[in-house]
Amino acid sequence: DAKTTQPPSMDCAEGRAANLPCNHSTISGNEYVYWYRQIHSQGPQYIIHGLKNNETNEMASLIITEDRKSSTLILPHATLRDTAVYYCIVRVAAGTASKLTFGTGTRLQVTL
Amino acid sequence: DTEVTQTPKHLVMGMTNKKSLKCEQHMGHRAMYWYKQKAKKPPELMFVYSYEKLSINESVPSRFSPECPNSSLLNLHLHALQPEDSALYLCASSQDGTGVPYEQYFGPGTRLTVT
Repeated sequence: DAKTTQPPSMDCAEGRAANLPCNHSTISGNEYVYWYRQIHSQGPQYIIHGLKNNETNEMASLIITEDRKSSTLILPHATLRDTAVYYCIVRVAAGTASKLTFGTGTRLQVTL
Repeated sequence: DTEVTQTPKHLVMGMTNKKSLKCEQHMGHRAMYWYKQKAKKPPELMFVYSYEKLSINESVPSRFSPECPNSSLLNLHLHALQPEDSALYLCASSQDGTGVPYEQYFGPGTRLTVT
């Protein structure tokens, strides 16, 4: 699976959009971009994934560049409950159950 | 129901003890996973079960023994652990199939302390 690079930490004011970047310059054509987050002392939570088109769900939007070498997770109106470590993961949709290889992630701190 | 449950929430055990961690899901998922997470580190995969058969073992020491008695249950049997095995143990499940990416649903974890 391709490796990802994320900033170690970011701050965001409550109510503002949080834009979390991820570089995956060695991504292959059949690899998907996944985002998970982990709130302190809880299990990771799936947020969103995409292949090459931008995606949106009730939690967030995922913007993938045209060359697919980077992506941005957008939380449109961050709240204090969005404070967490956010992991960007690139993986193949394998035929059998496949592993998630977590990087070091971005620690997002949402403040008043 | 999109919940993965894990018991116990906390476990303290001595190096000579034998204990088991339990994970359960009722989402009809056929893939189940064990991850280990040390403090301030990302989760690391230990084992993957696919259709109740062990499909991935990430070179985990034999003092950790996984078991998948049925499609809803996943156990992790612990024996003769070391203090450095103290960590948060996370269970996850997902659908399993060809060519389709499936998200993994994680349980809250069992925080294990080995004394």
